[in-house]
Amino acid sequence: NAGVTQTPKFRILKIGQSMTLQCAQDMNHNYMYWYRQDPGMGLKLIYYSVGAGITDKGEVPNGYNVSRSTTEDFPLRLELAAPSQTSVYFCASGYRLSSSYEQYFGPGTRLTVT
Amino acid sequence: QKEVEQDPGPLSVPEGAIVSLNCTYSNSAFQYFMWYRQYSRKGPELLMYTYSSGNKEDGRFTAQVDKSSKYISLFIRDSQPSDSATYLCAMSAENQFYFGTGTSLTVIP
Repeated sequence: NAGVTQTPKFRILKIGQSMTLQCAQDMNHNYMYWYRQDPGMGLKLIYYSVGAGITDKGEVPNGYNVSRSTTEDFPLRLELAAPSQTSVYFCASGYRLSSSYEQYFGPGTRLTVT
Repeated sequence: QKEVEQDPGPLSVPEGAIVSLNCTYSNSAFQYFMWYRQYSRKGPELLMYTYSSGNKEDGRFTAQVDKSSKYISLFIRDSQPSDSATYLCAMSAENQFYFGTGTSLTVIP
């Protein structure tokens, strides 16, 4: 299994440009998540999905959009990029049972907006 | 008030030491408690999770949750240089996850 894969690894955007960060998982997990990680700030949840066709906002959703048309894929769309969106973006997938709730992270995408 | 508070360190210990990492939280609805390890420029890796209160042990690692005090801990016994990383605590209620800012640990040979 490849686990959680993310593309691209790095990207530089100009202010106002748009892009899509790709995320795919091959573990048949229902749950998928997008986080951003800023230095000294920990991980912040942007959006999550509990299954194909179902998405919901996390703690910091403004400026982002997601879709989940298949179990495997969960792309994150940035519209009108701003310098405040410079960050490392992590996608994760996972499952939830009655007494466990596990997440597995991808390697991340480093995004710079200038 | 932040949902999760974690001392950022940095923490530096000699090889073989016992390491204690801690987080406090404010949301009494949290039911799932997790510890992640993150090496530089890598994604977080799940180390341990605990449901509700109690202790859980896995090899050299022990996780403790005290819901009455809203306090969780991770203990690392016989620490190794390969344990040098940033350790993140995380908590969940419903489908929302909240992470601490991470504690940077260096184990000196």
